[in-house]
Amino acid sequence: GNSVTQMEGPVTLSEEAFLTINCTYTATGYPSLFWYVQYPGEGLQLLLKATKADDKGSNKGFEATYRKETTSFHLEKGSVQVSDSAVYFCALDGNQFYFGTGTSLTVIP
Amino acid sequence: DGGITQSPKYLFRKEGQNVTLSCEQNLNHDAMYWYRQDPGQGLRLIYYSQIVNDFQKGDIAEGYSVSREKKESFPLTVTSAQKNPTAFYLCASSITPAGGTNTGELFFGEGSRLTVL
Repeated sequence: GNSVTQMEGPVTLSEEAFLTINCTYTATGYPSLFWYVQYPGEGLQLLLKATKADDKGSNKGFEATYRKETTSFHLEKGSVQVSDSAVYFCALDGNQFYFGTGTSLTVIP
Repeated sequence: DGGITQSPKYLFRKEGQNVTLSCEQNLNHDAMYWYRQDPGQGLRLIYYSQIVNDFQKGDIAEGYSVSREKKESFPLTVTSAQKNPTAFYLCASSITPAGGTNTGELFFGEGSRLTVL
């Protein structure tokens, strides 16, 4: 079946630190992979996506590469800002959308 | 602007009452979804609809009901049979159903927070 396993939080970083949030998946076929971000009290917004193996999604300084060989889609950012504080969800599009449990990130000045 | 509108943003319910959460989209999307979000559990799928007048149960459909009489609207009713309804409810849509050949992103509303008194 399809599933997403995501690094548990919460994660607390200082401003300008490097961020990695791990995500691995199990899927039949070749799903699209997504990272969504949720700010407090709001719905989820698409952050980036990749639709096939070796694709790199990027947006707002965040990047993730679709690695078929390791079934991973880790989220990275070189220098986080306070405004990046949010909950991040990894997801895949199989016969329905499957979400990880979310990773809460807090960036302190 | 195009998007998904959920209402109300906050809702309080007494035990034994049914309540209906509204979800409207003007994106002309075929597929619509309802998710429940609880702390530490991510998003769980309640119901989804791929086309008007058709809908399917998700992973946690018990105690909930939906209808899809119009493409733009997908209301969720939380019935008295739902034993633990206090949660954050998210409605979403996609241009095509999940798993289709033109798969794309989900667009979310801002959510409705339901509290049982």
